[in-house]
Amino acid sequence: QSVLTQPPSVSGAPGQRVTISCTGSSSNIGAGYDVHWYQQLPGTAPKLLIYGNSNRPSGVPDRFSGSKSGTSASLAITGLQAEDEADYYCQSYDSSLSGSREVFGGGTKLTVL
Amino acid sequence: QVQLQESGPGLVKPSGTLSLTCAVSGGSISSSNWWSWVRQPPGKGLEWIGEIYHSGSTNYNPSLKSRVTISVDKSKNQFSLKLSSVTAADTAVYYCARVEALYCSGGSCYSGYYFDYWGQGTLVTVSS
Repeated sequence: QSVLTQPPSVSGAPGQRVTISCTGSSSNIGAGYDVHWYQQLPGTAPKLLIYGNSNRPSGVPDRFSGSKSGTSASLAITGLQAEDEADYYCQSYDSSLSGSREVFGGGTKLTVL
Repeated sequence: QVQLQESGPGLVKPSGTLSLTCAVSGGSISSSNWWSWVRQPPGKGLEWIGEIYHSGSTNYNPSLKSRVTISVDKSKNQFSLKLSSVTAADTAVYYCARVEALYCSGGSCYSGYYFDYWGQGTLVTVSS
C-alpha cells in the first residue's frame, strides 16, 4: 500500500491528452511538500520528468506538465506519442509520527493505443 | 554530467547481508546534495530506502531503519548500502540516486527533495 495513490493504468490514442492523478494526505502533499514526477521506460531507471510540482528539467518536452492542489497533484501529457508509453510515478515527502521519508505513488502504466 | 553506477553481488542468501556500492562520476560526492538508495521489487513500485550527506548524516525509511546502514567514502567518491537479515521480500532492483534538496524557480528558491540523477540499477536476488 503506497502512501501516495495513483491509478494503476491510463490509456489514450496518439495525439490525445491524458492526465495521471496522485492523491496524498495532510502529512505529505497536503502539508505543503512538493510533488515530483518520474517516467520509467521498460527495463530502464526512472527519469525525472517534473520537479517542484510544475517545473520541467532541461530536455523534457513541454507536452509534459504538472500541477498541485490541496492534497493532490496531476501530471498531464498532451499530444500523446507512442514513445510516451511507460510507467509514471509521483513522489513527495511525508512527515508523521512514525517518521519522515521520501514517498512514492504506486505507479501508473500509460498505454498508447 | 553526473553519472552513478551501482555494484555488488547479485545473489544473497536469506538472513545474510546485502551490500552495494554506488560510484559517482562527473561530480563530487561532497557537493550540496544528499545521496540515496531506492529499490523496486520485480513488477512493483519504487521504495525509498535512505540517504546520506557527505558529512555522514543519514536518514532512513522508518520501515527499514533497523536493518539499513548507509555510509560514504569521500576519498573514493562513492557511497554504500548494507541491508541485514534479508529475506525473499528484499529481492529487487536497487538504484542509487542523487537528491536535489533545493531548487530555484521564478526568482525564489524552495526545498525540493527529488531524485535528479539515477544509476542504471542492479538486481539483487535473495535465495539459497
